[in-house]
Amino acid sequence: DQQVKQNSPSLSVQEGRISILNCDYTNSMFDYFLWYKKYPAEGPTFLISISSIKDKNEDGRFTVFLNKSAKHLSLHIVPSQPGDSAVYFCAASATGNQFYFGTGTSLTVIP
Amino acid sequence: NAGVTQTPKFQVLKTGQSMTLQCAQDMNHEYMSWYRQDPGMGLRLIHYSVGAGITDQGEVPNGYNVSRSTTEDFPLRLLSAAPSQTSVYFCASSQGAGGGEWWTQYFGPGTRLLVL
Repeated sequence: DQQVKQNSPSLSVQEGRISILNCDYTNSMFDYFLWYKKYPAEGPTFLISISSIKDKNEDGRFTVFLNKSAKHLSLHIVPSQPGDSAVYFCAASATGNQFYFGTGTSLTVIP
Repeated sequence: NAGVTQTPKFQVLKTGQSMTLQCAQDMNHEYMSWYRQDPGMGLRLIHYSVGAGITDQGEVPNGYNVSRSTTEDFPLRLLSAAPSQTSVYFCASSQGAGGGEWWTQYFGPGTRLLVL
């Protein structure tokens, strides 16, 4: 059973607007969360992380929000750029060791 | 720093053959792991190691062996390859327990494996 779910397989956004990627998880013991960007034929590139002691973490254009009560994680990209077009994966772990990944959301930023 | 490196980039095997996928990191990370990615699925953890001499199973360990004799290297062995092991394999490392965001994993470029 999928412990981490990304229910939107794809998302299209105009350049300059906000991209919001969502992630839901089922295990209330998950305390560590990661977001990755992946281009075809490359390894995942780390974007931003958060632990359960925070509800928000920012790094430049990327902000991750964590709602533990709803078991929901979101990644906001503002402003979106064409180079952001990629597949985005969220991942979660209870221990910081064994991470469970979602199936990914393909983001297309339209110039 | 080269980060996490993986070799080979691409490999074709016949059913029953064995091979070792290599992974190395130069960041002095304690934690290393192997994932596989199949079409339409996220990455799934095969095995991981929290330090030299210590390994443990992940979500999908069957058909794979690992060992960790040094901090830098974490090879993944397929003893008898099967078509179901056709996949893209990624190695990752993280600092391990400690300060900062110690759980953040950094990935290698991947190895594409085709088993005929």
